[in-house]
Amino acid sequence: EVQLVESGGGLVQPGESLRLSCAASGFTFSNYWMTWVRQAPGKGLEWVANIKQDGSERYYVDSVKGQFTISRDNAKNTLFLQMNSLRAEDTAVYYCARGLRSFDYWGQGTLVTVSS
Amino acid sequence: DIQMTQSPSSLSASVGDRVTITCRASQSISSHLNWYQQKPGKGPNLLIFAASTLQSGVPPRFSGSGSGTDFTLTISSLQPEDFATYYCQQSYSIPRTFGQGTKLEIK
Repeated sequence: EVQLVESGGGLVQPGESLRLSCAASGFTFSNYWMTWVRQAPGKGLEWVANIKQDGSERYYVDSVKGQFTISRDNAKNTLFLQMNSLRAEDTAVYYCARGLRSFDYWGQGTLVTVSS
Repeated sequence: DIQMTQSPSSLSASVGDRVTITCRASQSISSHLNWYQQKPGKGPNLLIFAASTLQSGVPPRFSGSGSGTDFTLTISSLQPEDFATYYCQQSYSIPRTFGQGTKLEIK
């Protein structure tokens, strides 16, 4: 059974950093592009970033370029999102998802709250 | 960036109804369009990819159509478990973008 389990969310103050993790199981992680999508409270879905199977290509939405870094450890079947200089508008549930074009498996999400 | 616009934003319907949700792209995206269902507190669930291909395990009462800029998701006969929020998403270019969502409620 494919499983994606996010962790690392929490309450942080503006300007602080956080690193999210997504533990993958039930499939060959190194064969898939992986993606982060976020959802602000009561709002819609926003694609954040994705990463190629070997990490050689990474893409970001403009609003997080230079602020967030996506990475992966294929040996540990884990996807990461390093988030720096967090702002109130980064408050959201962050989902990891499998895929490049369509996303066929999603995690349950981890909540990041940026507030003083 | 490609803008995706869904209509309506909300919809009230009854069990057994046929329902159609529309998604329009700000430029042609060929058939690079996907549909998701999301229930409260859960991650989205892929229903349809490439505009009209039903994801494995999704009931056949769900169908998708369209190409270019205009797309539709149809539920042929609503079931109680279908009341949720639906999103379209373009996979033509990066950044991937989603529609604002359509909340389907029980009448």
